[in-house]
Amino acid sequence: DAGVIQSPRHEVTEMGQEVTLRCKPISGHNSLFWYRQTMMRGLELLIYFNNNVPIDDSGMPEDRFSAKMPNASFSTLKIQPSEPRDSAVYFCASSRTASNSPLHFGNGTRLTVT
Amino acid sequence: GQQVMQIPQYQHVQEGEDFTTYCNSSTTLSNIQWYKQRPGGHPVFLIQLVKSGEVKKQKRLTFQFGEAKKNSSLHITATQTTDVGTYFCAGPEGGGNKLTFGTGTQLKVEL
Repeated sequence: DAGVIQSPRHEVTEMGQEVTLRCKPISGHNSLFWYRQTMMRGLELLIYFNNNVPIDDSGMPEDRFSAKMPNASFSTLKIQPSEPRDSAVYFCASSRTASNSPLHFGNGTRLTVT
Repeated sequence: GQQVMQIPQYQHVQEGEDFTTYCNSSTTLSNIQWYKQRPGGHPVFLIQLVKSGEVKKQKRLTFQFGEAKKNSSLHITATQTTDVGTYFCAGPEGGGNKLTFGTGTQLKVEL
């Protein structure tokens, strides 16, 4: 089991540029979550999918953020245009769909927007 | 929406001392999960509690779920440097699998 795989590990970009973060969940996991972690706000859920369908995107900060899950083995989180306040660590996590299933997190993408 | 608070926010202890973090939810939880995040790492699942008043142990770690299923605690006996990290509790919102994470307690252990 390779675990949840995220890329890139680090991303440094200039304000206004488009950023795309990628995630491959654990095979057999039907739920996928995107979290953002900052010192000020802790771990925030941005969006989650069940069976490739977005269930709750109420945590997405604004229209500059979008997420897709075109198939069971791949998801993207896109920020366009990026702003310095988007700087954070973005985690992808996957789990089985049951409400008591633990989350398995990827190593995260550390995004810095200058 | 659901809020999950943890205290303390930070804790510095000498190696060998005990440590406790407390978790409080604004709503009743069907279960509570605990995660540990090492510095520079990602959250890693430790344990899940489901029953009211449940107590579970993992070596030096003791987890407890409150009778009202709105609070929980993690107690570490005789801390070691390997215990360093941030401990999060997390509870599902509503009946689904959307997890709300607590604010976390950062533990530092000094020799």
